[in-house]
Parts: sequence; structure tokens; C-alpha cells
Amino acid sequence: SYELTQPSSVSVSPGQTARITCSGDTLPKQYAYWYQQKPGQAPRLVIFKDNERPSGIPDRFSGSSSGTSVTLTISGVQPEDEADYYCQSADNNISMFGGGTKLTVL
Amino acid sequence: EVHLEQSGAEAKKPGESLRISCQASGYQFTSSWIGWVRQMPGKGLEWMGAVYPGDSDTTYSPTFQGQVTISADKSVNTAYLHWNSLKVSDTAVYYCARRLYDNDGFYLGMDSWGQGTLLTVSS
Repeated sequence: SYELTQPSSVSVSPGQTARITCSGDTLPKQYAYWYQQKPGQAPRLVIFKDNERPSGIPDRFSGSSSGTSVTLTISGVQPEDEADYYCQSADNNISMFGGGTKLTVL
Repeated sequence: EVHLEQSGAEAKKPGESLRISCQASGYQFTSSWIGWVRQMPGKGLEWMGAVYPGDSDTTYSPTFQGQVTISADKSVNTAYLHWNSLKVSDTAVYYCARRLYDNDGFYLGMDSWGQGTLLTVSS
């Protein structure tokens, strides 16, 4: 099996840039996906294939990849961005989520 | 518009069996995988497995292989998650979600999610 590792928490002030990392051995070979989950809600896809944004996702959300790590960047963080964020990838048709990162907007 | 409607909350006892459902609408049900995700209280997302309704092919996370059964009935556009014998540790919210692929077969993520089904298992 494999793992995806995320920091448990990230804190930023409104208007600053938040960066959430996800590391895993399969990431050089497989795309990463990012989901936002607010309390009491289902997750929402915010980034797919490392750096593409679904329609309706604000352009302050972006993704990047380098080696065994991927990064979700939220530029100009808004209070409504406070949520849990999960990375996802796959290996041999088996998907996996990272442990999740709680983004706190101070 | 794609919509996944999950069955309602359940309260069960250890050892009981259960099937929860996820009814899809707004797209061709047989052409996209449906995945199931567990979220235990206060914890993160865990990918359980998925079913392809077109031919009922399934894939499971090693963690959940043999613990649950995932299936689909294309006649009613519904995917299912089934337990033969529930445990207290199965208490969680369970989500279904569409796994979207492009025409070239590249995975585009889980783009549409059900509202979640809360399962409580307690004696």
C-alpha cells in the first residue's frame, strides 16, 4: 500500500497565500486531486490532474507538482476558504486520500 | 445537472446487515464509476471502493476488501454499499461520488457527491 501525507493544519490571515502540501511515492507517476470539505458538507473537487480547476472554482485556487509532492495554493485567502482539504491520488486503480489539512483563516 | 441522492440515516445493532443506496440522475449512469468514501466521526476521508454500473465491475481498497460489498443496478440508476454483519466501528458517514473520466480515459476526479448517509451502530 502507499500513503499520502499532509500537514494536519495550516493557518493564514485573510488576503495571504495558503499552501498545503501532499507527499507520496506515487505522485511522480500519478495525478493528484484536491477536495475541500466544510463542516457538515460533502467534499467538493477544487483541483484535478495536479493543476486544473473545475468550472465554478475561483481562480485563487491552484495546484502544482514537483517530484513526490504536490501543493494546493490558495492566493488571497477568503474567510469562506476555511475548511478541511484532502489530496487524492491512485495506484493500480486503487484511490487513496491524504489525512487532510485543516485550513484556519485567522 | 448531475445529482446523487443517498438513502437516509440508519441506526443498527452489531451483527445486523444493511444496504445503503445512491441513486444517480442527470447523466448516463452506466458510463461512469461510482465510488464510496467513509468518514468516521471527526476523521478524514477514506476511499472504500467503486463500481462501474455498465458491467458491474468493482474495485476495492485493501482495507475494505471483504468487509463490504459494492454493487449497482442499472435498471434503477442506483449504486449500493452492503454489510453482512455490522460492527460498532462501522459508525460513520458514507458518501457516494461519481468518478469522472475524459474521453481518453484520464481520471478527472470525483466531481459530484451525494449528501452522505450517517450510519450509527450501537448495542
